[in-house]
Amino acid sequence: AQSVTQPDIHITVSEGASLELRCNYSYGATPYLFWYVQSPGQGLQLLLKYFSGDTLVQGIKGFEAEFKRSQSSFNLRKPSVHWSDAAEYFCAVGVDTGGFKTIFGAGTRLFVKA
Amino acid sequence: EAGVTQFPSHSVIEKGQTVTLRCDPISGHDNLYWYRRVMGKEIKFLLHFVKESKQDESGMPNNRFLAERTGGTYSTLKVQPAELEDSGVYFCASSQDRGQLNEKLFFGSGTQLSVL
Repeated sequence: AQSVTQPDIHITVSEGASLELRCNYSYGATPYLFWYVQSPGQGLQLLLKYFSGDTLVQGIKGFEAEFKRSQSSFNLRKPSVHWSDAAEYFCAVGVDTGGFKTIFGAGTRLFVKA
Repeated sequence: EAGVTQFPSHSVIEKGQTVTLRCDPISGHDNLYWYRRVMGKEIKFLLHFVKESKQDESGMPNNRFLAERTGGTYSTLKVQPAELEDSGVYFCASSQDRGQLNEKLFFGSGTQLSVL
């Protein structure tokens, strides 16, 4: 069955430090992968997506993610975290089960300390 | 351009009552999705409309849930009667593309439903 695993429920990093959020997926076909962010009181916003080509994709707000097929991973990174990055991050995979749907992970909440 | 709007933002009801959630997608978006997140777990797919037709309702938990999208514009999700396990955040999303795998979803800020 298709699934997305985000092993870290929450992560705390210092402002200015680097960030990596982990994501593993399970899907038999070519994956279409996404990272979304949800800030307090807001809806989910797309950070970036991968569906073909260069395995390192750039997104908004200085985020990037790398697709590694051999590891079934799509980790999100940012070289220097800002306090405004504190939010919840969701990894997702687009699957075709006769109809298209997006399957989400459980999310990782990021805390940023001064 | 207005985004996806959901109403109400919060709803607190008693077990056995009825609640109706509303979603207004971005104008012109034919695809409308409902998702639910329960107690910090993953966001789970409920159903997908293309215009006024239900394309996929495989995620609907049971027959206490009824979704409609008359006229292909806004959608409602009714829970009747509500049970404790229905508590969670209900998200609506819309997209412009024709249900493609790489489509970008635009999300509303969700309705927090609490069933007591």
